Amino acid sequence: AQTVTQSQPEMSVQEAETVTLSCTYDTSESDYYLFWYKQPPSRQMILVIRQEAYKQQNATENRFSVNFQKAAKSFSLKISDSQLGDAAMYFCAYSHPNFGNEKLTFGTGTRLTIIP
Amino acid sequence: DGGITQSPKYLFRKEGQNVTLSCEQNLNHDAMYWYRQDPGQGLRLIYYSQIVNDFQKGDIAEGYSVSREKKESFPLTVTSAQKNPTAFYLCASTLQTGSVTEAFFGQGTRLTVV
Repeated sequence: AQTVTQSQPEMSVQEAETVTLSCTYDTSESDYYLFWYKQPPSRQMILVIRQEAYKQQNATENRFSVNFQKAAKSFSLKISDSQLGDAAMYFCAYSHPNFGNEKLTFGTGTRLTIIP
Repeated sequence: DGGITQSPKYLFRKEGQNVTLSCEQNLNHDAMYWYRQDPGQGLRLIYYSQIVNDFQKGDIAEGYSVSREKKESFPLTVTSAQKNPTAFYLCASTLQTGSVTEAFFGQGTRLTVV
């Protein structure tokens, strides 16, 4: 079974600084996808960024980027120029292509606080 | 606008009662999922459905039941057999393409047993 581990229950960062959230996973599959989801106080799950395992290039979405280390099974999220609106729970998630069942396995989350 | 609608946002249940949480999507997605969220435990899969009239148990299905009579709807019933039902419940859907695509989530239902 696949597992996803987030070892940082809470993180804080000064506004405009950079922060990195850690995630490790375990799988025996070679083809899979990794995601970072953001859950603000509204509790709506919002996709931040996704990475396909077959791609060597790290995904980037504006201020958000990942460091994907496939051999180490590590998938960290870097947030640059942190903004107050970035304050939220962040969940790392894994999914394996399985036609009709792309269920997600989630980590336990990291609560990110932005210090003004 | 396309999306997933969960209702109600807040739900209170007396012990021993069954209660049904609604999930409707107009994204024309094939697969739908129910997750439970507890503090410090992330999201855990309760049930999922790939097509109409078919569904499978997830990791924590005991005390829950579902139906999928229409592609757009995937209601979750929390039965009296669920020993600790107080939690936040999220419904999600994905488009069945053979590769992994983004999961879309509803806004959730907070269930409290009183």
